Amino acid sequence: KQEVTQIPAALSVPEGENLVLNCSFTDSAIYNLQWFRQDPGKGLTSLLLIQSSQREQTSGRLNASLDKSSGRSTLYIAASQPGDSATYLCAGYSSASKIIFGSGTRLSIRP
Amino acid sequence: AAGVIQSPRHLIKEKRETATLKCYPIPRHDTVYWYQQGPGQDPQFLISFYEKMQSDKGSIPDRFSAQQFSDYHSELNMSSLELGDSALYFCASSAQGGGTNEKLFFGSGTQLSVL
Repeated sequence: KQEVTQIPAALSVPEGENLVLNCSFTDSAIYNLQWFRQDPGKGLTSLLLIQSSQREQTSGRLNASLDKSSGRSTLYIAASQPGDSATYLCAGYSSASKIIFGSGTRLSIRP
Repeated sequence: AAGVIQSPRHLIKEKRETATLKCYPIPRHDTVYWYQQGPGQDPQFLISFYEKMQSDKGSIPDRFSAQQFSDYHSELNMSSLELGDSALYFCASSAQGGGTNEKLFFGSGTQLSVL
């Protein structure tokens, strides 16, 4: 059974720092990995999708990498801003019909 | 660009009542997924549809049913509501049956509160 784990569960850093969020999955059969952002009580905003043939994706200050052999993905946020405060979820595509979410990392950026 | 539309945004029901949640996928998307996210929990897969047929089933209670219509919108019907059904319900859509290169796009969710 595919399990997705995110570490740390919560993170608080001062504004301007670079930071890394970690995601690990148990089943190497995962073929895509997607990072989402969720604000309290809100929906899921897709940040980056890494397809199985790719190793990383970049969008602005965000960079996500995927290493299927080690079962890990990282989300790198450069020059963090208070507006980046949210919960970040990674989700692994283990089949065509559903994806498995991690429990998320609650990120707080202190002004 | 058009996104996944869910209605209503908020819904308050009492125990044992019924509720219907609606999802309108992105145009030309043929696959719809339903997820349930309880307070402080990660989203859990409920059920999915491809071309109006159920394609996969997750942890959906027997009290719930869903279908996808000819215009590809989907409805999640929930009966005999329980307090534990209070959650944020997400709908997502994808194209081409959600194949390996297709990304899921999520709606903003319906917040269901059962009193």
